[in-house]
Amino acid sequence: RKEVEQDPGPFNVPEGATVAFNCTYSNSASQSFFWYRQDCRKEPKLLMSVYSSGNEDGRFTAQLNRASQYISLLIRDSKLSDSATYLCVVNSPSGNTGKLIFGQGTTLQVKP
Amino acid sequence: DAGVIQSPRHEVTEMGQEVTLRCKPISGHDYLFWYRQTMMRGLELLIYFNNNVPIDDSGMPEDRFSAKMPNASFSTLKIQPSEPRDSAVYFCASSSQKSATDTQYFGPGTRLTVL
Repeated sequence: RKEVEQDPGPFNVPEGATVAFNCTYSNSASQSFFWYRQDCRKEPKLLMSVYSSGNEDGRFTAQLNRASQYISLLIRDSKLSDSATYLCVVNSPSGNTGKLIFGQGTTLQVKP
Repeated sequence: DAGVIQSPRHEVTEMGQEVTLRCKPISGHDYLFWYRQTMMRGLELLIYFNNNVPIDDSGMPEDRFSAKMPNASFSTLKIQPSEPRDSAVYFCASSSQKSATDTQYFGPGTRLTVL
């Protein structure tokens, strides 16, 4: 089983739609969770951290369910510029801090 | 801030040749990471350094791969000899890691093609 699993998609949605991505992680001892965004042929960039209580940043909402080891990202009112791959990221709880485990990514294509 | 700098941006080489990828982390960051990304395997951590010391190299695929960090502002990833299956995008990232939630900042990557 992969340490971080995501549905690769692609998710094809019209502008203005609401879309949700899910992610599961295998190690219950993980403490830090993130969503990174990667545009085509570019490097990954942090989109947002995910906190236990859930957090929102504009049109983006992230949720964490520790009991189910499940992370979600909700995008409301999708824009064309949201088209990208979204990577679910979890810290490796063993050894030193700093090591992150990346999911394979979920591809979103927002169409006019 | 110039961000993480990687060179070269593109490298095309023939099987058996030595390849050296270079990275300059963000000034003041004390963690440096080397990743490899392919369509099949996604983003994989190869090795990471803390204060120039290799901490975890369990992701390095085999002895053909080696990485060094001679000082806080420079790191290299070397493949010798290169093989076609090494073709991938290699990213370098750095972070300050004052806490586990510190962001990793990625460089633009080196796109390696081994013929």
